[in-house]
Amino acid sequence: AQSVTQLDSHVSVSEGTPVLLRCNYSSSYSPSLFWYVQHPNKGLQLLLKYTSAATLVKGINGFEAEFKKSETSFHLTKPSAHMSDAAEYFCVSSGSARQLTFGSGTQLTVLP
Amino acid sequence: NAGVTQTPKFQVLKTGQSMTLQCAQDMNHEYMSWYRQDPGMGLRLIHYSVGAGITDQGEVPNGYNVSRSTTEDFPLRLLSAAPSQTSVYFCASSRDRSYEQYFGPGTRLTVT
Repeated sequence: AQSVTQLDSHVSVSEGTPVLLRCNYSSSYSPSLFWYVQHPNKGLQLLLKYTSAATLVKGINGFEAEFKKSETSFHLTKPSAHMSDAAEYFCVSSGSARQLTFGSGTQLTVLP
Repeated sequence: NAGVTQTPKFQVLKTGQSMTLQCAQDMNHEYMSWYRQDPGMGLRLIHYSVGAGITDQGEVPNGYNVSRSTTEDFPLRLLSAAPSQTSVYFCASSRDRSYEQYFGPGTRLTVT
């Protein structure tokens, strides 16, 4: 069985400072991993995905994530936060059963 | 392309009533799925389909039915609504499980 743990339910940063949203996964093999963003009252939008190619994955809006198999982690980072980054972020794993497993989400607040 | 559309956007039901949440996609995706989103729990898979005529249960299927008669449509039926089904429901589609999931805007359901 696979599982996804987002280590922080809430993260607050000041505008212009770095963002780090942490995600650990558990799987019997290397899964496909995704980060999605959800703005208030909206559906989910894909930020980036890892599918066993390069371990450093670049996504939209300046976000990137690094797949570390030894640490079973897939943390999301951005060098400089913008007010428009305030949203909820979900780390997602895709395994062999054609099902996605979602983390519980991290709410990102960006302070002016 | 309209992408993934869901209707209605909001719905209030009384306990015991039945209803159908509609989902349609115009991207010719084989894989479609229904999720419910509850605070602090991420998204949980209700049912999914890997093609017309083929459906299967996800993590929380009880109280819901689905069918897939066409590639485009994947309705979710609540047989006898219960307050525990108060949630936000998202429909998603993709080429396959490991590809990007495209999400609809969601249906906010309240059962009183």
